[in-house]
Amino acid sequence: SQQGEEDPQALSIQEGENATMNCSYKTSINNLQWYRQNSGRGLVHLILIRSNEREKHSGRLRVTLDTSKKSSSLLITASRAADTASYFCATDPAGGTSYGKLTFGQGTILTVHP
Amino acid sequence: KAGVTQTPRYLIKTRGQQVTLSCSPISGHRSVSWYQQTPGQGLQFLFEYFSETQRNKGNFPGRFSGRQFSNSRSEMNVSTLELGDSALYLCASSPRDSEAFFGQGTRLTVV
Repeated sequence: SQQGEEDPQALSIQEGENATMNCSYKTSINNLQWYRQNSGRGLVHLILIRSNEREKHSGRLRVTLDTSKKSSSLLITASRAADTASYFCATDPAGGTSYGKLTFGQGTILTVHP
Repeated sequence: KAGVTQTPRYLIKTRGQQVTLSCSPISGHRSVSWYQQTPGQGLQFLFEYFSETQRNKGNFPGRFSGRQFSNSRSEMNVSTLELGDSALYLCASSPRDSEAFFGQGTRLTVV
């Protein structure tokens, strides 16, 4: 079963615009991770934010985490056509026994038009 | 450093057959996880291995099994294939219990 809910399911923007994707989850977490997937290929790790962090940056990516609301957002600034992909959030549940079991959301399909 | 390597990339099998998929993790990574991705169910965790021991297992029938070798390479096996087993199977390796690095996946089609 999916722990995360991602919103929106699909997002279509023009090159140069910013894209924001949201993720909500249900249980306490150790960390939350964002991944990108191009057209049915492997997942590319984008960024990891730990439960005691509120915001993290990596290049054009900014991730926020609100553990009180059990939600996270991924912002991609100045988007490019090459950013077109599906984006997934994945949670590593707290408790110390998850052992590699990430729980993924259903993903947001981002289309960036040139 | 080479990434996670999965073989084969594509596979077509007939119902009732069995299949073995292989995953070579990033050098030095001892944790290997397997996921199934389908359009209907999304990404679902199958199992995780660390130092040749299965530490965690998802909610899949016993037809799905795996193992890990002393060099951290892992295989997963699906016996008595069903049409619903058609999916992209993804392997991920981790240096510790943190971010996972995924391979390109094996696309399995059951006919």
